[in-house]
Amino acid sequence: SQTIHQWPATLVQPVGSPLSLECTVEGTSNPNLYWYRQAAGRGLQLLFYSVGIGQISSEVPQNLSASRPQDRQFILSSKKLLLSDSGFYLCAWIPLAGGSYEQYFGPGTRLTVT
Amino acid sequence: TQLLEQSPQFLSIQEGENLTVYCNSSSVFSSLQWYRQEPGEGPVLLVTVVTGGEVKKLKRLTFQFGDARKDSSLHITAAQPGDTGLYLCARGNFNKFYFGSGTKLNVKP
Repeated sequence: SQTIHQWPATLVQPVGSPLSLECTVEGTSNPNLYWYRQAAGRGLQLLFYSVGIGQISSEVPQNLSASRPQDRQFILSSKKLLLSDSGFYLCAWIPLAGGSYEQYFGPGTRLTVT
Repeated sequence: TQLLEQSPQFLSIQEGENLTVYCNSSSVFSSLQWYRQEPGEGPVLLVTVVTGGEVKKLKRLTFQFGDARKDSSLHITAAQPGDTGLYLCARGNFNKFYFGSGTKLNVKP
């Protein structure tokens, strides 16, 4: 069966510090991968998605970036965090085959920028 | 835009009551998904509706897709405290997904 991992689970970082969040998927090949950010109790904002290794599409211009160095690895980064980067970051995947629109989410990373 | 509007934003009810939450858009969906999210966790897929007028049941949850495929509803019968959570609707468009702002449900015992 497929599983998705995210780490760290929680992170407290000062303004201006760098960021690296990692997401890995097991048990599938060539998935579409997604990064979302969620404000407390609200909907999900799509940040980046990737349909393959090295292929990244950005939805919202900001000081974040994403990379996909391996088929099942997706990384969210920042060189200098802002207070507004605080939030709950979720990684998700869908199987590339079959045209499914059903997403499967990781457990999330709670980021607090101080 | 791909905006999805969910209502109500908050709902607090007693155990045993029925409730309906809504998801609306000005555009036609090819499909729509409903998710439930508990605090501190990722959303979990409940159902996908595809055909206009479609009704799907998942135990006490009934999902309906509007005939024009611009709206959807989720009805919960005899709500239980375990139904508490954030209910999100989402639509897919090629490789992108758009989520509503959610309905935060609290079922009091």
